[in-house]
Amino acid sequence: GAGVSQSPSNKVTEKGKDVELRCDPISGHTALYWYRQSLGQGLEFLIYFQGNSAPDKSGLPSDRFSAERTGGSVSTLTIQRTQQEDSAVYLCASSLDARDNEQFFGPGTRLTVL
Amino acid sequence: GQSLEQPSEVTAVEGAIVQINCTYQTSGFYGLSWYQQHDGGAPTFLSYNALDGLEETGRFSSFLSRSDSYGYLLLQELQMKDSASYFCAVTLGGKLIFGQGTELSVKP
Repeated sequence: GAGVSQSPSNKVTEKGKDVELRCDPISGHTALYWYRQSLGQGLEFLIYFQGNSAPDKSGLPSDRFSAERTGGSVSTLTIQRTQQEDSAVYLCASSLDARDNEQFFGPGTRLTVL
Repeated sequence: GQSLEQPSEVTAVEGAIVQINCTYQTSGFYGLSWYQQHDGGAPTFLSYNALDGLEETGRFSSFLSRSDSYGYLLLQELQMKDSASYFCAVTLGGKLIFGQGTELSVKP
């Protein structure tokens, strides 16, 4: 079956612009996660959803970052007034539910803020 | 806070055995996971230890000792395709907290 998909694969934007990143989880997976990975670094947790609810938003770096999930499926991560330090690969993952040990990752969106 | 430490780089030869260590300063986590990430690719799940001891999955094994705040990933019969970054991660609530990753280079 289809894996986790993310769009766009690459996004170049100018400082101060807003961007939206999209994640389509594996069908039937109720938990969805967003992570950020800077070059050569580990993955930094941002937020996760169980269904449409976000029990843990603790990793969002600032109030410029927000995410939503509708219909228990697609999720959108929005970054407002982008800054150069927002440049990174944004990875989405899904799992059967939040108690599941294995997360399935998408290919990521590479965001470059000029 | 939570932190996990891994060596940044490890080099080994094809056919050998390599161990990648992970030490952590985290409490209250459910288990320790390992993920593999090839250059530019998506991380993929390798193993999970909920309890102390060794879990074996083919050429890969993973170990956890909560009393020592320590775990490791053991890769046997190394192949060139095993060259990648390996991340340990603890499960806290519904999220994963990752280490910085170990880049494994397998030489012929």
